[in-house]
Amino acid sequence: KAGVTQTPRYLIKTRGQQVTLSCSPISGHRSVSWYQQTPGQGLQFLFEYFSETQRNKGNFPGRFSGRQFSNSRSEMNVSTLELGDSALYLCASRVFAGPHNSPLHFGNGTRLTVT
Amino acid sequence: KNQVEQSPQSLIILEGKNCTLQCNYTVSPFSNLRWYKQDTGRGPVSLTIMTFSENTKSNGRYTATLDADTKQSSLHITASQLSDSASYICVVIEYSSASKIIFGSGTRLSIRP
Repeated sequence: KAGVTQTPRYLIKTRGQQVTLSCSPISGHRSVSWYQQTPGQGLQFLFEYFSETQRNKGNFPGRFSGRQFSNSRSEMNVSTLELGDSALYLCASRVFAGPHNSPLHFGNGTRLTVT
Repeated sequence: KNQVEQSPQSLIILEGKNCTLQCNYTVSPFSNLRWYKQDTGRGPVSLTIMTFSENTKSNGRYTATLDADTKQSSLHITASQLSDSASYICVVIEYSSASKIIFGSGTRLSIRP
């Protein structure tokens, strides 16, 4: 079974631009969540989607948005990029959303650098 | 405020030795606690998932313990190998409709030959 696939692997953008990251979950997984990882803040939850609906949202500004398609694939968009948005963006999928015990399966992330 | 605190921040041990990583949390209500291993440049990989009623869970040389009364968990690594060098992240899931996911800041473990 293929794992979680994130594209692109690396991305360099300029301040003020916008960026779209893509995540393909494991087949059969209906929940996709997104995380930002930086050396200073560690892993921080952005949002989770289940059956095309946002189920949960972290404490990030509205510049960060996402969506999920009917095939469970998900995209994350960051508009008006700031230097502080430079980070590793991780996507994870699991069978269900909510407080279930299904493990999160992470992709290897997209390394975004904002210059 | 729901928090997950890990200690130590970093640890260096010799190959073959054992070590224990700590995780304290204040998340309430509690659903489950997870330990993840993250190699440099890769996404985290699940090691264990423990619910309120579970005290111990093993995955090969990794053994996690949970004390739900004191809200503490530990991850014990036996007979460490060079491939154990990684960051270990404690994650707690809140039991609610929002089911918030709260991450610890991780312990950076380095195994020396």
